[in-house]
Amino acid sequence: DAGVIQSPRHEVTEMGQEVTLRCKPISGHDYLFWYRQTMMRGLELLIYFNNNVPIDDSGMPEDRFSAKMPNASFSTLKIQPSEPRDSAVYFCASSFEGEAFFGQGTRLTVV
Amino acid sequence: KQEVTQIPAALSVPEGENLVLNCSFTDSAIYNLQWFRQDPGKGLTSLLLIQSSQREQTSGRLNASLDKSSGRSTLYIAASQPGDSATYLCAVPMNSGYSTLTFGKGTMLLVSP
Repeated sequence: DAGVIQSPRHEVTEMGQEVTLRCKPISGHDYLFWYRQTMMRGLELLIYFNNNVPIDDSGMPEDRFSAKMPNASFSTLKIQPSEPRDSAVYFCASSFEGEAFFGQGTRLTVV
Repeated sequence: KQEVTQIPAALSVPEGENLVLNCSFTDSAIYNLQWFRQDPGKGLTSLLLIQSSQREQTSGRLNASLDKSSGRSTLYIAASQPGDSATYLCAVPMNSGYSTLTFGKGTMLLVSP
């Protein structure tokens, strides 16, 4: 398996624009997580899915953030409208039986 | 709420030294514990996974131990090399049937030649 695949790797956008981050988890994994990493706050869990169903989205900072998992092989994290404080590295991870694997992340810069 | 603490926050050693990174967690009801490595600008790479029933796991020069009762894990790196320079993070999921990972803030390791 190629591992967890995220796209794009880098995204630069203007404040107010919509941003969509994409993730393809490892086949057979039943959990999918979206994390955000900043220097100040470290790794923060935003939302996670179990068998494509959102379980806990309490980490999503605001209503501007939304995530979907329409099937077992694809998830999106959308920010609309984006703000400069959303600038961070966003990681997607998938796990099976408690062992997690991370994608390479999307570095988002909102100017 | 599970909290994970890693000590030290940063560590600088000369090449060849053996070193220990520490991780502590507040709730011992964990399913397992995972150690990750993160290189600058990169994702997290899984190094070792210790199941709650195990006391240690080894992979090459790395050895991770787990003491659930005291809420501690250590990552031992033998004969450190400059290529080991990275940030090391430990993470625990809860033993509740869910699999959310709680991370420590990591130990930034620098191994100088």
